[in-house]
Amino acid sequence: DIQMTQSPSSLSASVGDRVTITCRASQSISTYLNWYQQKPGKAPKLLISAASSLQRGVPSRFSGTGSGTDFTLTLTSLQPEDFATYYCQQSYSVPVTFGGGTKVEIK
Amino acid sequence: QLQLQESGPGLVKPSETLSLTCTVSGGSISSVSYFWGWIRQPPGKALEWLGNIFHSGSTHYNPSLKSRVTISVDTSKNQFSLKVNSVTAADTAIYYCVRESVGSTAQPFDYWGQGTLVTVSS
Repeated sequence: DIQMTQSPSSLSASVGDRVTITCRASQSISTYLNWYQQKPGKAPKLLISAASSLQRGVPSRFSGTGSGTDFTLTLTSLQPEDFATYYCQQSYSVPVTFGGGTKVEIK
Repeated sequence: QLQLQESGPGLVKPSETLSLTCTVSGGSISSVSYFWGWIRQPPGKALEWLGNIFHSGSTHYNPSLKSRVTISVDTSKNQFSLKVNSVTAADTAIYYCVRESVGSTAQPFDYWGQGTLVTVSS
């Protein structure tokens, strides 16, 4: 199985801050990498697919980069509604696997 | 607007079989562009992919569940189902049904059900 490692596991930030979350794959996955946002009590929501393709309706302050084994999700100018847990997910091979999550909390 | 809705018992006894159904509305489960799958999340933990199914019945499963999982589809009802047998407390989780977009690069899970909590306890 491909292991997905996210860092940090949690972070505290203020409204308006720039936040970067890293996801590393245990082997190369090209750009078969998706990012999700999950708020408490809710299902995850797809933010970015194929490492950098922003989903329709997702604010442009979200962006994704990377290929191979190293990927980043960046949130510029953090907004109150962005406080949530973020997961990366690889679809390069079965079984599909997720990172452990990064919880973005209010400082 | 596509919607997915999980249904099934919220409490299952150890060693018994967990059974859930996902009803798809606002779209056809027979589309060639999508797989339909199940993902679970133990309370406070990360997400785990269980498997998926195509409308033809072709399936993929997570080997970690050691053949305890079966996913089936009923195109006449626009539903697909999950069975996990020989459950233990470790199977306690929120279970989500999802749509997997085969036509998109990286095959993301673009639609999710609201999730249903299944507790394994005697």
